[in-house]
Amino acid sequence: GENVEQHPSTLSVQEGDSAVIKCTYSDSASNYFPWYKQELGKRPQLIIDIRSNVGEKKDQRIAVTLNKTAKHFSLHITETQPEDSAVYFCAAGDDKIIFGKGTRLHILP
Amino acid sequence: EAQVTQNPRYLITVTGKKLTVTCSQNMNHEYMSWYRQDPGLGLRQIYYSMNVEVTDKGDVPEGYKVSRKEKRNFPLILESPSPNQTSLYFCASSSLKGQENIQYFGAGTRLSVL
Repeated sequence: GENVEQHPSTLSVQEGDSAVIKCTYSDSASNYFPWYKQELGKRPQLIIDIRSNVGEKKDQRIAVTLNKTAKHFSLHITETQPEDSAVYFCAAGDDKIIFGKGTRLHILP
Repeated sequence: EAQVTQNPRYLITVTGKKLTVTCSQNMNHEYMSWYRQDPGLGLRQIYYSMNVEVTDKGDVPEGYKVSRKEKRNFPLILESPSPNQTSLYFCASSSLKGQENIQYFGAGTRLSVL
């Protein structure tokens, strides 16, 4: 069935450095690729999304890139801050959305 | 205020005792979904619904039932809960119109089955 692979599972970066999380998907019919952030004890919340007719999207310090040919997409966070520490989930799909297993991001002081 | 409401937030029960977790959204969304979240496994979809009276299995439907009699409600039913259903459950909803399929999540229901 459809699958979304997410790497790495854990990522530690120094405050101020950049963080990159990568995902691949199997269903070539996927055309919607959201990223969610889940802080400890809270619900997942959308931080950015991209559709298949766009290769890159940016919102302040976060950006997402999509390569439909290779079926992979990435989240980039620049100038990381302590409040960026959380679990990040990628997802892919159309009507049905499949989530990756998540990346726990630690921002080190 | 647009929201997805789950109840209860916390539930401790015993094996075999039927339970229902309710989910309601006030955004007139067509799509609703249930996920369970377990450490290291991410969000796994249990069931989803594209509209009233239309439900489909997700990746881990065994041991669960759902119904969609009204657009706003999508209850999750565990007919005979077992300890391996101890988990954190999230309900989510989204529109299927155009480019508005952002999923909004409820606050979660933490279930323990003894």
